[in-house]
Amino acid sequence: AQKITQTQPGMFVQEKEAVTLDCTYDTSDPSYGLFWYKQPSSGEMIFLIYQGSYDQQNATEGRYSLNFQKARKSANLVISASQLGDSAMYFCAMREALQHAGNNRKLIWGLGTSLAVNP
Amino acid sequence: DGGITQSPKYLFRKEGQNVTLSCEQNLNHDAMYWYRQDPGQGLRLIYYSQIVNDFQKGDIAEGYSVSREKKESFPLTVTSAQKNPTAFYLCASTPHPGVSPLHFGNGTRLTVT
Repeated sequence: AQKITQTQPGMFVQEKEAVTLDCTYDTSDPSYGLFWYKQPSSGEMIFLIYQGSYDQQNATEGRYSLNFQKARKSANLVISASQLGDSAMYFCAMREALQHAGNNRKLIWGLGTSLAVNP
Repeated sequence: DGGITQSPKYLFRKEGQNVTLSCEQNLNHDAMYWYRQDPGQGLRLIYYSQIVNDFQKGDIAEGYSVSREKKESFPLTVTSAQKNPTAFYLCASTPHPGVSPLHFGNGTRLTVT
């Protein structure tokens, strides 16, 4: 079965330091995509970064980058130069396998990691 | 600016009453979704719709109903049959399911007493 695992319920980081949020996934589909979202205390979900299984390079978006290790089935989010505004819940998600869902490919979500940035 | 609007932000109802949560988008997206979020449980899919006049049950559809009469609108009704309706509800849309990222509304926090 397809699954996303985020093993860190909570993380702390000092302002201006880098932090890595873990995400491991399980799928037998060779074609998959991984998404990271941020959820501040206000509740809205904000898309951060996407990694496709066939992408040659690790995805980067500003201060966000993905440490994508296909053989280990991990897609860890790295936030560089943490800011106070980075304090939020972070969710990793994977799209369903084509063989399971056909055209109705939905997202499978992890339980999230709560990040607190200390001044 | 384009986006998804969920209203109201907070909603209170008595047990046994049906309640409808609004979700409107002006992004011209075909696919829309309703998620439920409980503390420590991440997001769970209630219903989704890939196109107008069509929708499918998600993982926890029991006690909920939806309609998709217009592309822009995907209201969710929480019926009295939903045993534990108090939760945070998020609406989302995307132009290409599973490929493009989801765009989310700001959510509605429903409290049923």
